Amino acid sequence: AQSVTQLGSHVSVSEGALVLLRCNYSSSVPPYLFWYVQYPNQGLQLLLKYTSAATLVKGINGFEAEFKKSETSFHLTKPSAHMSDAAEYFCAVRSYNTDKLIFGTGTRLQVFP
Amino acid sequence: SQTIHQWPATLVQPVGSPLSLECTVEGTSNPNLYWYRQAAGRGLQLLFYSVGIGQISSEVPQNLSASRPQDRQFILSSKKLLLSDSGFYLCAWSPTGASWNTEAFFGQGTRLTVV
Repeated sequence: AQSVTQLGSHVSVSEGALVLLRCNYSSSVPPYLFWYVQYPNQGLQLLLKYTSAATLVKGINGFEAEFKKSETSFHLTKPSAHMSDAAEYFCAVRSYNTDKLIFGTGTRLQVFP
Repeated sequence: SQTIHQWPATLVQPVGSPLSLECTVEGTSNPNLYWYRQAAGRGLQLLFYSVGIGQISSEVPQNLSASRPQDRQFILSSKKLLLSDSGFYLCAWSPTGASWNTEAFFGQGTRLTVV
């Protein structure tokens, strides 16, 4: 069964610093991976998704993620953090034989001025 | 365009009272529907998903149930709430029969506090 693991429940960065949120997947077949963002008391919004067309995926708000099969990773990055990036971020994988979307436990990003 | 509506936005209920949360999708037909719960510090837990009217799969044994009386309506219910049912409940949909890289679209959530 597919699953994702997010390392680090909390990440803190200074405004302008690099953002790196980690996600590792477990799958015996090529996975379909997603990153979502959640602002306080709101639903989830898709940031980007891996579609196997390219290993480096660019999303909204300046975020990008790189699929690395050798490391079973799909880490989310942004070169320069902005205060408005403070939110919770979820990595997810679509189950291969069902339509279920399985989420990681999330990483809360704090951005300090 | 497709939209998803979820209500109420917040709810405070006493222990032992019933629960009904409703979710509807507009602009599509025969969607896959999902209920997730988000407890503090525990990420998103898939509770139920449905691939069609009357077809409900339960992921976690619990005090909750789900129903899909109409194609684009998904209801989360409980006969008697427990304190542990408190959390943020999210409804989501995805296109049925779509490619595997199709994402799910989320409602704005319901904050349930059981007191």
